[in-house]
Amino acid sequence: NAGVMQNPRHLVRRRGQEARLRCSPMKGHSHVYWYRQLPEEGLKFMVYLQKENIIDESGMPKERFSAEFPKEGPSILRIQQVVRGDSAAYFCASSPTGANQPQHFGDGTRLSIL
Amino acid sequence: DAKTTQPPSMDCAEGRAANLPCNHSTISGNEYVYWYRQIHSQGPQYIIHGLKNNETNEMASLIITEDRKSSTLILPHATLRDTAVYYCIVRVTTSGAGSYQLTFGKGTKLSVIP
Repeated sequence: NAGVMQNPRHLVRRRGQEARLRCSPMKGHSHVYWYRQLPEEGLKFMVYLQKENIIDESGMPKERFSAEFPKEGPSILRIQQVVRGDSAAYFCASSPTGANQPQHFGDGTRLSIL
Repeated sequence: DAKTTQPPSMDCAEGRAANLPCNHSTISGNEYVYWYRQIHSQGPQYIIHGLKNNETNEMASLIITEDRKSSTLILPHATLRDTAVYYCIVRVTTSGAGSYQLTFGKGTKLSVIP
């Protein structure tokens, strides 16, 4: 998992604050995916991005959540006005191309909302 | 993506082969079988994937039945570090909406016993 870098590993926010989660894909990978894992549950797909483009955001909540993958720099998952239910582990994965390529995951950001 | 069925838990003696079954009776001809594992507090780790033929890499072997309705992941010499939740996932090979998502079920919790 060392290839995909996520930071911070742990993030604590109070209700109403903003949370920013960062993901640097593996070298040579231009496709990024975000997943969320609630306590005692499996990972759920949120969004798929290529450089500067959102390809599939069918798993993203309609409000407060956004994602970007700029031409330069890491991918960012932003959660505005966080609520207790946003507490979860957020995992980023990357692949060199889209379909048919294994996705390689980082070790996640554990978000805790006070 | 087709649904998969896995036993919730299995035990394996250290040094012995671990054989993890997966049923995917509704799999389509254009769907791959992927295996990932998740060790506690880490991100999912890609193990292996295949379409029709059996596959082997440095981590494991994947045996897919001729009718492709089931498969078995084989860890040839299990160690304590192989204790994890193992996920069997089927995923379409073609591009299109939803094809990029990995759908994680509950998986099989493998416990390697000294």
